This record gives sequence, structure tokens and C-alpha cells, in this order.
Amino acid sequence: DGGITQSPKYLFRKEGQNVTLSCEQNLNHDAMYWYRQDPGQGLRLIYYSQIVNDFQKGDIAEGYSVSREKKESFPLTVTSAQKNPTAFYLCASRPLGGNEQFFGPGTRLTVL
Amino acid sequence: KQEVTQIPAALSVPEGENLVLNCSFTDSAIYNLQWFRQDPGKGLTSLLLIQSSQREQTSGRLNASLDKSSGRSTLYIAASQPGDSATYLCAVKGYSGAGSYQLTFGKGTKLSVIP
Repeated sequence: DGGITQSPKYLFRKEGQNVTLSCEQNLNHDAMYWYRQDPGQGLRLIYYSQIVNDFQKGDIAEGYSVSREKKESFPLTVTSAQKNPTAFYLCASRPLGGNEQFFGPGTRLTVL
Repeated sequence: KQEVTQIPAALSVPEGENLVLNCSFTDSAIYNLQWFRQDPGKGLTSLLLIQSSQREQTSGRLNASLDKSSGRSTLYIAASQPGDSATYLCAVKGYSGAGSYQLTFGKGTKLSVIP
């Protein structure tokens, strides 16, 4: 059963703590993306990776970090430097040469 | 910088009605335009993708049009059903430099279809 999985679905953390969100895909897609969605807002790009061991900053990368050690995995770390981390985080992937991005179910992060 | 606007922000219609959702974008140099559906607390599901060289795409009761020169797209939903209730997002794909392309999203239109 192919797809994109994000875990956990809900995540709670105390202010000042780093937290890592998981994104795994078994679609053999080359490119992977992380977006942030706030209520009533469009998605904003945080980071993206087009190949293993390479990634680029998106529009709102400050306070976030990523790694791409494996093709199927693209974890996102929300650091304590992110001023307003409470949001809905969406991961997506795209095959090489493909036009469409395919999205995971999302993780809702709440920082208390 | 590309900006994508969706009007209206929310729409409520009775079941069975035909409806149109609007999307406009400021930079016509796009690669393609995509319409997504998002249910509450869920990820995005792609509905239709229109390449920049195309004028429209159809899937079942959905029809999306693209007028690149005027920076507009519409999503037409025929014979609406309560199951169509969701937020509909428009996104345009454009060149972001260094050989990369990026999606720019609108804020969405929240559709409610009343039985």
C-alpha cells in the first residue's frame, strides 16, 4: 500500500523544546517537501529536497532544520528558535519529472 | 513575488446547485495550476492539474479552466453534494530560481453544501 505517512498525527511540546516530525514515503519519489499551514492561510514552504543528501530553504526556513539521508525519509525538526511553532505541518513528495505533489495526512503541533 | 488569491473565502450553497470557485494569480509565468481539496484536519487531495498550455481539465463533476494571460482560474462543480463540503485550495507552480520550481498556494475557499 503506497503512500506518504506522517507521524504522529498530534504532537504536544513545551516551549523551548526541539521536536522532530516524521515523514516517510514508499512511492520511490525523488523530491520531498515540508509545508506549514496556519488557520485561514495558504500553505507556506519550509524546506524541500530534490535528491538524497541535498535540500534547500523555502520561504520560511528560519527556526527549522531538515535532513535527507534516505530517499524515503525527510524529517523536520522544529527548533526552539522558531518563534511561533504551533501549526499544521504537511509533507509532500513528487516523482522525478512529475508535475504533481502528493501530500501526507499532516501533523498538528501544539507548543504549550 | 507570486501571489494567489481565492474568492470567496467561504461559500454556502444548497445541495444540487452548480457553483464556481475563483482563483487569481499575479505572475502569469506559471508552469501549471493545481486545484486541491482539503477536509478538516487532513492532508491535501489533488483534484485537477492544468498545464500552462491547456485551457481546461475535467474530472467527473469538476471542471477547471485556466486563462493564463489574465491570471485567472475557475473550478466549476456541477450538481453539488454534501460530500463536496471541504476547503478547496488553488496552487500555481512557478520557477523559483536555481533550477527549482515552487508551488504558491491561495488561502482557500471553504465550501459548505447544505442538504
